[in-house]
Amino acid sequence: DVKVTQSSRYLVKRTGEKVFLECVQDMDHENMFWYRQDPGLGLRLIYFSYDVKMKEKGDIPEGYSVSREKKERFSLILESASTNQTSMYLCASSLSSGPFYEQYFGPGTRLTVT
Amino acid sequence: AQSVTQLDSQVPVFEEAPVELRCNYSSSVSVYLFWYVQYPNQGLQLLLKYLSGSTLVKGINGFEAEFNKSQTSFHLRKPSVHISDTAEYFCAVSDRGGNKLVFGAGTILRVKS
Repeated sequence: DVKVTQSSRYLVKRTGEKVFLECVQDMDHENMFWYRQDPGLGLRLIYFSYDVKMKEKGDIPEGYSVSREKKERFSLILESASTNQTSMYLCASSLSSGPFYEQYFGPGTRLTVT
Repeated sequence: AQSVTQLDSQVPVFEEAPVELRCNYSSSVSVYLFWYVQYPNQGLQLLLKYLSGSTLVKGINGFEAEFNKSQTSFHLRKPSVHISDTAEYFCAVSDRGGNKLVFGAGTILRVKS
């Protein structure tokens, strides 16, 4: 079974802090994704990566950056957290590119910025 | 740009009744279509997908969906729901050239006994 794990289920940070959200997958998947989930808005893609050190902006990249130094790990970075970044963050991975390859999701990190 | 509209934010239904969750998409090109389910406190799980071929797609847990190109719809159905089907359901679209999914806002299915 594919397993996507996220470092924290719940996180509380203060405005202006630098925040790291970590995601690890154990199936040697090429692609990894970060989404943000908000009520009434569904999931929106922040960034994705199709290879180590490669990244591409999604639909809402502003205020976020990412890092992928190893194939199994994809980090989302909030350089200076703001209250409007309070949300649920979901990581996903897929074996390769294209819609034929299912995206597998982690359980999510609920981030609260106060 | 592609978009997905899920017409109902919440659908309450009694156990063993049929249910339909509606999804409409807009796209100027051919698409792939997906339904995902999110159980409480969990990540998303793929229910079913339409890539090509038969417009009636069967998925896990007794769910099915029908792709209707003329109506740009991909409604999800189950003939008899269980309490355990209580979850949030997301419709998503991906264009043929892309790796990115565009999700709808989600529909919360509440199954009552």
